[in-house]
Amino acid sequence: GAGVSQSPRYKVAKRGQDVALRCDPISGHVSLFWYQQALGQGPEFLTYFQNEAQLDKSGLPSDRFFAERPEGSVSTLKIQRTQQEDSAVYLCASSFTSGGEGTGELFFGEGSRLTVL
Amino acid sequence: QKEVEQNSGPLSVPEGAIASLNCTYSDRGSQSFFWYRQYSGKSPELIMFIYSNGDKEDGRFTAQLNKASQYVSLLIRDSQPSDSATYLCAVINYKLSFGAGTTVTVRA
Repeated sequence: GAGVSQSPRYKVAKRGQDVALRCDPISGHVSLFWYQQALGQGPEFLTYFQNEAQLDKSGLPSDRFFAERPEGSVSTLKIQRTQQEDSAVYLCASSFTSGGEGTGELFFGEGSRLTVL
Repeated sequence: QKEVEQNSGPLSVPEGAIASLNCTYSDRGSQSFFWYRQYSGKSPELIMFIYSNGDKEDGRFTAQLNKASQYVSLLIRDSQPSDSATYLCAVINYKLSFGAGTTVTVRA
């Protein structure tokens, strides 16, 4: 497709369940970012990939969060043993340039809205 | 202190008026600054970026940057109901760091 694609768009999980969120970036985009956006807040950085290398995971809130991009294209964000505070929209963004420099234009997917009951 | 702070709003302006959005950042070494617009339930989209001190105009939008004061603003002239959205200020240091956003409502 032409844009960043994320799935599922909506996910309801019971507390303690594991979830996996998928991001399919724009073809050829080197950089891939995951952000977490709580209601009424701006996106908060989680992690960054340049191709298949995870260069920064400083924003992951706990060791229950794990992200991978094994072949440098599709990425998966996994959350183990979900908690209510994990409820948020998880945004994936990609950029053609490495590190998102230049215009700084990140192309965002529509997000995956996670609700943990 | 958050890396990017925005006036929290919400901001309500009448149609045709100027909406003024403000943002400050903490890293004096930041070089590039961005304004994203986010409609309710949608993903952010880039509307302006600015690197140099001064003003940058693009249609009805003007971004202003003052690096000495670590301040960046966005003016929306002749506001339209379609401008009603949340506006996110962002600073780049290989990754974008966003402010909390300012919600703008343009009253018809």
